[in-house]
Amino acid sequence: AQKVTQAQTEISVVEKEDVTLDCVYETRDTTYYLFWYKQPPSGELVFLIRRNSFDEQNEISGRYSWNFQKSTSSFNFTITASQVVDSAVYFCALIADSNYQLIWGAGTKLIIKP
Amino acid sequence: SAVISQKPSRDICQRGTSLTIQCQVDSQVTMMFWYRQQPGQSLTLIATANQGSEATYESGFVIDKFPISRPNLTFSTLTVSNMSPEDSSIYLCSVEAASTDTQYFGPGTRLTVL
Repeated sequence: AQKVTQAQTEISVVEKEDVTLDCVYETRDTTYYLFWYKQPPSGELVFLIRRNSFDEQNEISGRYSWNFQKSTSSFNFTITASQVVDSAVYFCALIADSNYQLIWGAGTKLIIKP
Repeated sequence: SAVISQKPSRDICQRGTSLTIQCQVDSQVTMMFWYRQQPGQSLTLIATANQGSEATYESGFVIDKFPISRPNLTFSTLTVSNMSPEDSSIYLCSVEAASTDTQYFGPGTRLTVL
């Protein structure tokens, strides 16, 4: 069975601080895909990144970076120099080859205070 | 990525009535999905909308309560039937971009049942 755990229910930081959102996953498949989505207060889900299980390279996109470590089954997301517009709920998700359905974490609510 | 629209964006309905939500995509897609997100919760897959055949429902969801249509490769509807306050949620449609395993989401429909 697959599972995604986002242990941080809510994080609150002051603007310009760096913040890391944790994601731990479980799967027995060797082929799988990991995702991060952002859900601002307006409600739409915005796709941020997709990473396949064979690519452990970290990725940076502007202030966003992702650290994928198979050894610890983690796919953590860091926002550098956070801004108020980063306030949202962030979801980590997994698709494994054996069960072609997105498995969602519970989400982490990120609050950036001005 | 595909551009996805949903109608209505929000609605307030009376108990016992039904609401049909529309999802329109700007390109032909094979896979379309309907999700429910209850307040403060993660996403739950209701069903996969199959073009030309009956939708595939997940455990806990039945066709009588959530009938789905998929008349073509760009359009789908979800009906929430005989609504109760427990049906108050955000309903989201998503599409899978071809050969990417990545789902993109519509803006969602916020449903409140009184």
